[in-house]
Formats: sequence, C-alpha cells, structure tokens
Amino acid sequence: KQEVTQIPAALSVPEGENLVLNCSFTDSAIYNLQWFRQDPGKGLTSLLLIQSSQREQTSGRLNASLDKSSGRSTLYIAASQPGDSATYLCALGAGGFKTIFGAGTRLFVKA
Amino acid sequence: KAGVTQTPRYLIKTRGQQVTLSCSPISGHRSVSWYQQTPGQGLQFLFEYFSETQRNKGNFPGRFSGRQFSNSRSEMNVSTLELGDSALYLCASSWGTSGTDTQYFGPGTRLTVL
Repeated sequence: KQEVTQIPAALSVPEGENLVLNCSFTDSAIYNLQWFRQDPGKGLTSLLLIQSSQREQTSGRLNASLDKSSGRSTLYIAASQPGDSATYLCALGAGGFKTIFGAGTRLFVKA
Repeated sequence: KAGVTQTPRYLIKTRGQQVTLSCSPISGHRSVSWYQQTPGQGLQFLFEYFSETQRNKGNFPGRFSGRQFSNSRSEMNVSTLELGDSALYLCASSWGTSGTDTQYFGPGTRLTVL
C-alpha cells in the first residue's frame, strides 16, 4: 500500500532563507508527483508537476526534484518571502483514478 | 480560461438535513474529484467521476453520493448530516484522470453542521 509522508510537519524560517520541503513515498510505481500550496481556508494551488520520467521541474523560485529509486521528492524554495507562508502538500499520481496526498508541511516565513 | 468553480461557498445546516454541493470544472476537463478536508483528518478522497461515471470511491459512508452530468459539471450530496460532516469540501478537475494529469482545485465549499 502506497504511503506518503511529509517531513517536517511545520517549519518556521526567517525571510530570505533557502529551504527544502520533503516528500517520501513507499512505492516507486508512480505516474507523476504534484506539489500544491494551500492558504488557510482556501483551495489548493498547483505549483509543479513532475512526470515519473523526469528528474526535476522549475518555476521561478521553486524547484521540485523526483528520485523514484529512493522514494523521495523535494521542493526547494529560494529566497523565501512572507508571502510563501502556507501549507505545502505533495500528491502522487498513481495512474488511473488514484491520487495519494501527503499530510502537508506548514511553512511560516518571518519578516 | 475560467478556473474550477464551486457553489455555494458557505453553507450552514443542522443535523439530519441534507445538502447538495456543485462543482463546475475547467472547460474541456472530463474528470472531477471530490475531497473532504478537516483539521483532524486532513485531505480525504471522496470520489472521482470521469465521463459521467464514478470511477473510484473513498472510504466514506453511503450518505455521501455524487454524480456527473454530460457537461462534466458535478454535484455531491450528503444526506442525514452529522456534526462530523463539518468540513471544507474541495473539488478538482483534470483533463484526463486524476492519477495521470494535473489537478486544478476550486476554492471549496465550507459546510458547517449545527
């Protein structure tokens, strides 16, 4: 059974710091991996999607990597800003009609 | 291109009542998935519809049901509401299946059961 774990559950950093959020999974048979951002009480915003054949994707200050062999994905945020404060979730596309979400990492960037 | 829309945005109901939530996917998307999000349980999958057929279902009681129309719009219904049904209900759409394509989420419907 596929399990998705996000560590740490919460993170507080000063503005300007580079940071890494982690997502680990137990079964490497995935179709893709997607990172989302969620602001309190709001819906999820798609940040990056990595296909299983890819190693990384970049968008602005965000870089997501995927290592299927080790069952890990990381989301790197460069030069963090207070506006980056949110909960970040990773989701595994397992093919077909199945997506598995992690519990999320709550990020707080202090001004 | 308009995003995923959900109506209503907020609902207050009392125990025992029923409720219907609506989700309009991004134009051209064929899949709609529904999720329940609570502080204690996080994001939990309810069901996914693709081409008007339910393709996958999460571990929820039969009080939770849904359907999808020919224009891909979807509704979910909760009957005999319980206090524990208070949650943010999110829908997501994708062009293909949820497990293969990017999912785009709506803003959610906040349901409060008194």
